[in-house]
Amino acid sequence: GESVGLHLPTLSVQEGDNSIINCAYSNSASDYFIWYKQESGKGPQFIIDIRSNMDKRQGQRVTVLLNKTVKHLSLQIAATQPGDSAVYFCAEKPLGRYSTLTFGKGTMLLVSP
Amino acid sequence: EAQVTQNPRYLITVTGKKLTVTCSQNMNHEYMSWYRQDPGLGLRQIYYSMNVEVTDKGDVPEGYKVSRKEKRNFPLILESPSPNQTSLYFCASREQGNLMNTEAFFGQGTRLTVV
Repeated sequence: GESVGLHLPTLSVQEGDNSIINCAYSNSASDYFIWYKQESGKGPQFIIDIRSNMDKRQGQRVTVLLNKTVKHLSLQIAATQPGDSAVYFCAEKPLGRYSTLTFGKGTMLLVSP
Repeated sequence: EAQVTQNPRYLITVTGKKLTVTCSQNMNHEYMSWYRQDPGLGLRQIYYSMNVEVTDKGDVPEGYKVSRKEKRNFPLILESPSPNQTSLYFCASREQGNLMNTEAFFGQGTRLTVV
């Protein structure tokens, strides 16, 4: 069947490089932002999140940056590894127990050994 | 192991033949949801459920039904499937209880083809 990775922008990097994946969000009312990773044949996997009262949050090898002025979100992956190859997409939602997510279309990251 | 389990993983069916995709989670999550994923369109929410017997429409509910009779199960029902429902479907669940909650657990997906 057709892969969900088709039609997506692609970022190709060498193993060991740092990767930066960008996302523009649309809703200025969104308070909470999430990055997901989706490997081929698998469901999305939560990576890291950030709330709108922050502009940076770090995890293990990943950093999310939020610029609310221009409604831009980025995911930085340090020392990218072949296992990082996947589709990455951002999601946004207003804070609240029952608010729903709006997903971006995603970026495919290809890591060469 | 915490997980969301969908069945079947792959399904080919004919137009108009009713089908059900099952979803089960073992984390006692209140909130469950269904998404479809299509090339160029990303993930779009079909239906969600905030608790047992509480369901609501997402962004693309037409042609689908759901039920939530038990906390752990959230089946997706296509009463009369059509070819435009050919897609990759994901079930997801999350905890409630705090503001920074999101779909943290997704199933492995069900690839449905309607001919």
